[in-house]
Amino acid sequence: QVQLQESGPGLVKPSETLSLICTVSGGSISGYYWNWIRQPPGKGLEWIGYIYYSGTTNYNPSLKSRVTISVDTSKNHFSLKLTSVTAADTAVYFCVRAGYDRGVGVDSWGQGTLVTVSS
Amino acid sequence: EIVLTQSPGTLSLSPGERATLSCRASQSVSSSYLAWYQQKPGQAPRLLIYGASSRATGIPDRFSGSGSGTDFTLTISRLEPEDFAVYYCQQYNSSPLTFGGGTKVEI
Repeated sequence: QVQLQESGPGLVKPSETLSLICTVSGGSISGYYWNWIRQPPGKGLEWIGYIYYSGTTNYNPSLKSRVTISVDTSKNHFSLKLTSVTAADTAVYFCVRAGYDRGVGVDSWGQGTLVTVSS
Repeated sequence: EIVLTQSPGTLSLSPGERATLSCRASQSVSSSYLAWYQQKPGQAPRLLIYGASSRATGIPDRFSGSGSGTDFTLTISRLEPEDFAVYYCQQYNSSPLTFGGGTKVEI
């Protein structure tokens, strides 16, 4: 059974860059879409973007100018960079696996990591 | 962007009752690309239904999904105590992928 684990700083200063890594264990990066989804405290879910194992990316237009998602298949992990953060970027960030091209949604989730943007 | 509107916002029911949750899309969504998730406090969401009506692995058969086009429904036939949670629909038919605002099922 695949497991995903987010890692990275829990506190980021305004205007700086949020960087998270998702380590995938128990399965291969190949054949899936690897996403970041976030959830502000007490609110709903927002899709940030995904990277296909081949390297193709797709970002939410609302964040596209600030987001980069990359994958390292040799290390079986993928990462998120979000630049110029503000308090509005404070959220629990989930890394997830999806099989969109097979009609399957997000079938595996990391536990999530809270990132707070504050000086 | 496809906007998903879930209703009601909150559903107050008792164990053993039937729950019917609605997800309405602003544009047509292929049934193959509509999913439902359950989220309990402090936990990551869990996939319940994909392709509008297919149960994910390990999901009890009291959960069922239906619908097409712009109207989709998640039904819980008989609520168990562990089913009280927040439920989200998601479309992955077109980018950006979007989620509904959620329905809270409470006792």
